[in-house]
Amino acid sequence: SQQGEEDPQALSIQEGENATMNCSYKTSINNLQWYRQNSGRGLVHLILIRSNEREKHSGRLRVTLDTSKKSSSLLITASRAADTASYFCATGLIQGAQKLVFGQGTRLTINP
Amino acid sequence: GAGVSQSPRYKVAKRGQDVALRCDPISGHVSLFWYQQALGQGPEFLTYFQNEAQLDKSGLPSDRFFAERPEGSVSTLKIQRTQQEDSAVYLCASSSRQGDRGGYTFGSGTRLTVV
Repeated sequence: SQQGEEDPQALSIQEGENATMNCSYKTSINNLQWYRQNSGRGLVHLILIRSNEREKHSGRLRVTLDTSKKSSSLLITASRAADTASYFCATGLIQGAQKLVFGQGTRLTINP
Repeated sequence: GAGVSQSPRYKVAKRGQDVALRCDPISGHVSLFWYQQALGQGPEFLTYFQNEAQLDKSGLPSDRFFAERPEGSVSTLKIQRTQQEDSAVYLCASSSRQGDRGGYTFGSGTRLTVV
C-alpha cells in the first residue's frame, strides 16, 4: 500500500509560471523526499527534507514540511518545458527507516 | 559505475515463464532496493538488501518472487511462473550507508510485459 497522496494528480501550466504540488502522508516519518520521473525513465532524486526541518531550497525548488499536518509541498518556480514530468513524494519511515514509501505522483505539464 | 544499471531494458515473457532481472548498483553502495511500478502508479517497495543480507522482503507479492545479492553487489530479481498481473516496470535503487542524506539513485528500470 502507498502512504503518500499527491495533489493534484495532474497539473498543466504555462512556461514561466510557478507549479505547486502537495503531498500528504499517514505515519510518522524520518524524512521526506521528492523525486522526478520522465516518461519511461527512472526516478531522479530532487531534494530531501528531514522531519525536524520546515523548509528547504535547492535552485528553483522549494520544499516545505508540516509534520503536525503530515503534509509537504514542492514549489517549482519559473517553470520550464524541461520540467514536464511526474513528481513523487516519498517518505522514509521511522520504522524500517531504510525503505521509501512513494505516493501516486503528480503529472506536471509545462506548456511553451 | 557512474549510475545504477538494469538489464534487460525490456522483457516480454509468456505467461508461466520464469524471468530474471539484473541490477548493477553504484560501486560501494551498501543498500539496494527493488520496487515495482504499475502503469500510472507510484513505485511500490518489494525488498531491501544491506550488503548481501536481505533485511526486508515484506513487499514481495508472492512466493513466486525471489531476490538475491550473493556477493553484496549485483542483485537479481527472479519471478517464477509469470502472470499477467506481474506486468510492470521493476526499478532498482542503491544508496550509501548514509543514503538518507542524498536520496537514492534509481536505475532506468526493466519493463516486463507478460503475454
